[in-house]
Amino acid sequence: DVKVTQSSRYLVKRTGEKVFLECVQDMDHENMFWYRQDPGLGLRLIYFSYDVKMKEKGDIPEGYSVSREKKERFSLILESASTNQTSMYLCASSSRSNQPQHFGDGTRLSIL
Amino acid sequence: AQSVTQLDSQVPVFEEAPVELRCNYSSSVSVYLFWYVQYPNQGLQLLLKYLSGSTLVESINGFEAEFNKSQTSFHLRKPSVHISDTAEYFCAVRKHNTDKLIFGTGTRLQVFP
Repeated sequence: DVKVTQSSRYLVKRTGEKVFLECVQDMDHENMFWYRQDPGLGLRLIYFSYDVKMKEKGDIPEGYSVSREKKERFSLILESASTNQTSMYLCASSSRSNQPQHFGDGTRLSIL
Repeated sequence: AQSVTQLDSQVPVFEEAPVELRCNYSSSVSVYLFWYVQYPNQGLQLLLKYLSGSTLVESINGFEAEFNKSQTSFHLRKPSVHISDTAEYFCAVRKHNTDKLIFGTGTRLQVFP
């Protein structure tokens, strides 16, 4: 079974802090994704990566950056956290075929 | 632009009743279709998918969905729901030439005893 692991289930940070959310997958998938989930808005893609050191902006990249130095790890970075970034963050991975994405359990981030 | 519409944000239903969760999409090209389920405090799990072939796809826990190309729909159905089916359900589409998913806004299914 594919395992996508997000480093924290719950995280509380202060405005202005630099925040790192980590995601690791164990299935050698090429693609990795970061979404945020908000009530009534569903899941919105922040960034995705289709290979090591490669990244593409999703629908809502403003205020975020990403890093993919190794194939199994994809980090989401909030450069200067703001209260409107309080949300549930979900990481996913998939192979480069018509296979579905596999999700981690999510990180509920609160910015105070 | 591609979009996915889940018209019902909440669907309350009694146990053992049938349920249909609606999903419509707009796309000018061929797509793959997915339903994901999210139980409380968990990530999304794949429920079923349509890639090609038979337009009726089934999951192991009794859900089924039918791809209707003319109506651009992929509605999810179950003939008799259980309390344990209480969750949020997301419909998603992916164009054939991309790895990105477009999600609907989700439907919260609440099953009452």
